[in-house]
Amino acid sequence: KAGVTQTPRYLIKTRGQQVTLSCSPISGHRSVSWYQQTPGQGLQFLFEYFSETQRNKGNFPGRFSGRQFSNSRSEMNVSTLELGDSALYLCASSYKSGGEYEQYFGPGTRLTVT
Amino acid sequence: TQLLEQSPQFLSIQEGENLTVYCNSSSVFSSLQWYRQEPGEGPVLLVTVVTGGEVKKLKRLTFQFGDARKDSSLHITAAQPGDTGLYLCAGDFYGNKLVFGAGTILRVKS
Repeated sequence: KAGVTQTPRYLIKTRGQQVTLSCSPISGHRSVSWYQQTPGQGLQFLFEYFSETQRNKGNFPGRFSGRQFSNSRSEMNVSTLELGDSALYLCASSYKSGGEYEQYFGPGTRLTVT
Repeated sequence: TQLLEQSPQFLSIQEGENLTVYCNSSSVFSSLQWYRQEPGEGPVLLVTVVTGGEVKKLKRLTFQFGDARKDSSLHITAAQPGDTGLYLCAGDFYGNKLVFGAGTILRVKS
């Protein structure tokens, strides 16, 4: 079974631009979550989508948005990029079996804002 | 706000030594996961613990879930250079959302 894939792997953007990142979950997983990882703040939850609906949202400004398609693929968009948005953006797909909620991460997209 | 505190933040040991990483919270988890992450890659799930008092073993790694389901530990026996990485605990607080600890950077020197 193929793992979570994210594209692109690396991206360099200029302050003020916008960016769209893509994530394809593991086949059969309907939940996709996005995280931002920085050395200073660690892994921070952005949002989760399930069956094309945003189910949970973290404490990020409205410049960060996402969506999920009917095939469970998800995109994340950041508008008006700031230097502080430079980070590793991770996507995770998940399922819940019984009492266990497990997430499987993609390799991430390394975004650098200059 | 649910918080997970991980300790230590950084650990540098010699090959063959044992170590323990701790993950603590004031809140009860419905389940807890441990991940290992290498530079430039996403975290890889190592184990999920669900039942209070549960102990799971994965080769030289032993994971324990506290009786009250508020804390967990990861013990590595006879560490090897290949164990080097960032170890993360993540708790599910019944909300279909994982909260991550800040992580423990482990460096095993040969």
